[in-house]
Amino acid sequence: DADVTQTPRNRITKTGKRIMLECSQTKGHDRMYWYRQDPGLGLRLIYYSFDVKDINKGEISDGYSVSRQAQAKFSLSLESAIPNQTALYFCATSPGGGSQPQHFGDGTRLSIL
Amino acid sequence: DAKTTQPNSMESNEEEPVHLPCNHSTISGTDYIHWYRQLPSQGPEYVIHGLTSNVNNRMASLAIAEDRKSSTLILHRATLRDAAVYYCILRRRDNYGQNFVFGPGTRLSVLP
Repeated sequence: DADVTQTPRNRITKTGKRIMLECSQTKGHDRMYWYRQDPGLGLRLIYYSFDVKDINKGEISDGYSVSRQAQAKFSLSLESAIPNQTALYFCATSPGGGSQPQHFGDGTRLSIL
Repeated sequence: DAKTTQPNSMESNEEEPVHLPCNHSTISGTDYIHWYRQLPSQGPEYVIHGLTSNVNNRMASLAIAEDRKSSTLILHRATLRDAAVYYCILRRRDNYGQNFVFGPGTRLSVLP
């Protein structure tokens, strides 16, 4: 089983719909992150959480919200989806500290029509 | 976090060594150098990281210049499976704020 699991893997939806992407981890890490990736570009940070009571905005948080339901679960919501939010979304975890690597899920491909 | 510069793309022949360069001229003394790679249709995968000394692991080697303003990821024998986008990232040791900044990376093609 994957250490960082994202659901769904693919989603097609319409403009204006509310969407939730879920991430769960079995690595026991405190820190969790949401990124988006657009074609030909690197990853951009949306939100991150250093523990259950800590939520922080990243580079591109407008139009998104998150919820850290437990140490192992971190969900990303698009309250009212728009077409330019079509992208590949990745969840990641890390144990903490600047020297520690991040561990990524396999991504959710989201298409908004 | 300081920025890094990498070539857009590189090509290698299978079973030959590959040297992927990264420039980070504004690196600070507490910045770790991390390398990740992203295979098609997958999330980024950690490869290696280091601070000052060269590092080796089962996947690759990391050679860090003496002034730390550049580094090189070395794949000793490229395989077709190593075809991916490689990202070089700096990360402060005491960073509790902003996180990994993934630029466009280097797209490595491996020719059979």
